[in-house]
Amino acid sequence: DIQLTQSPSFLSASVGDRVTITCRASQGIGSSLAWYQQKPGKAPNLLIYGASTLQSGVPSRFSGSGSGPEFTLTISSLQPEDSATYYCQQFTADPRTFGQGTKVEIK
Amino acid sequence: EVQLVESGGGLVQPGGSLRLSCVASGFTFSDPWMDWVRQTPGKGLEWVGRIKNKRSRYTTEYAASVKGRFTFSRDDSKNSLYLQMNTVTAEDTAMYYCARGGAPPIHAFDLWGRGTMVTVSS
Repeated sequence: DIQLTQSPSFLSASVGDRVTITCRASQGIGSSLAWYQQKPGKAPNLLIYGASTLQSGVPSRFSGSGSGPEFTLTISSLQPEDSATYYCQQFTADPRTFGQGTKVEIK
Repeated sequence: EVQLVESGGGLVQPGGSLRLSCVASGFTFSDPWMDWVRQTPGKGLEWVGRIKNKRSRYTTEYAASVKGRFTFSRDDSKNSLYLQMNTVTAEDTAMYYCARGGAPPIHAFDLWGRGTMVTVSS
């Protein structure tokens, strides 16, 4: 199975900060990576697919970059509503594994 | 409204069975591949498996942890997806989400249901 390792597991930042989350794959996955945001009690919500394509309706402060094995999700200017857990997921092979998540807290 | 709504969760005894449903609305349900994802309380996300569309002969794929115990099916005429869970264990306790596989080039789950909770306990 392809393992995805996210770092950090937790981060605390202030409104307006630039935030970066990393996802490293255990083997090559090309650009087949998605990022999701999950708020407490809610289902995950797609932010980015194909490593860098912003899903329709997602604010432009979110961006993705990278190609196997290392990818990043960047929030250019952190907003209060961005407090959530963020997951990466690979779409190269089954099982469609997820990273363990990064919890983002607003200071 | 484009949405997925799961139901059927609840308390089940170890070794028991449960059938989850996921009803779709607002899009052509017969087109996409549909997946199940679960999330244990306070933990991360685990892909459970997938059922493809009619064009792909409704092929199924299962995570190793559920293979042989879980079965996916779909009824496109009812816009419905099903997960039959058999011989459940405590490790199957989780929130279960159905998710829509995006149409190319969206290789991701672009629509999720709100989930249905399954608790395995005696």
